[in-house]
Amino acid sequence: DADVTQTPRNRITKTGKRIMLECSQTKGHDRMYWYRQDPGLGLRLIYYSFDVKDINKGEISDGYSVSRQAQAKFSLSLESAIPNQTALYFCATSDTGVNQPQHFGDGTRLSIL
Amino acid sequence: AQSVTQPDIHITVSEGASLELRCNYSYGATPYLFWYVQSPGQGLQLLLKYFSGDTLVQGIKGFEAEFKRSQSSFNLRKPSVHWSDAAEYFCAHHSGGYQKVTFGTGTKLQVIP
Repeated sequence: DADVTQTPRNRITKTGKRIMLECSQTKGHDRMYWYRQDPGLGLRLIYYSFDVKDINKGEISDGYSVSRQAQAKFSLSLESAIPNQTALYFCATSDTGVNQPQHFGDGTRLSIL
Repeated sequence: AQSVTQPDIHITVSEGASLELRCNYSYGATPYLFWYVQSPGQGLQLLLKYFSGDTLVQGIKGFEAEFKRSQSSFNLRKPSVHWSDAAEYFCAHHSGGYQKVTFGTGTKLQVIP
């Protein structure tokens, strides 16, 4: 089984709908992240969480919200989806400590019509 | 603000040829640098990392990278490319304790027979 699992893997929905992307991990890491990937732009950080009680905005948090339900679960919500939120979304985790690498899920491809 | 630049959007090499992917960073203090690889339909996987010490670091899959402070570079190399190396490669900089990660925009590698 994958260490970092994202569901769903693909989603097509309509403008204005509320969407939740889920991420769960079995690595035991305290730190979790949500990124979006767009062609030519690399990965951009949406939100990150260093423990269950710690949530922080990334560089592009507008239009998104998150919930850290447990150490192992970190969900991303789009309250009212718009077409320019069409992208590939990744969840990642990392261990605590100086400059630990990040461990990524396989991504959720989200299309908003 | 720190930044990571990958000047080559797309590179094509022949199978068996050598490879060098460029990465430049802007950060005053000693940087913490990583290379990740993304195969189609998958998340990013760590190839190698540099924190300090020997400026030539070895990674998985036969890759290596050399840190050159004078040139603010951390280029990724492989002596002989295999068809399975076709993927997108991301250079990343991790800041200190708060794990702020800045990714480059990626270089897509195509391998031709």
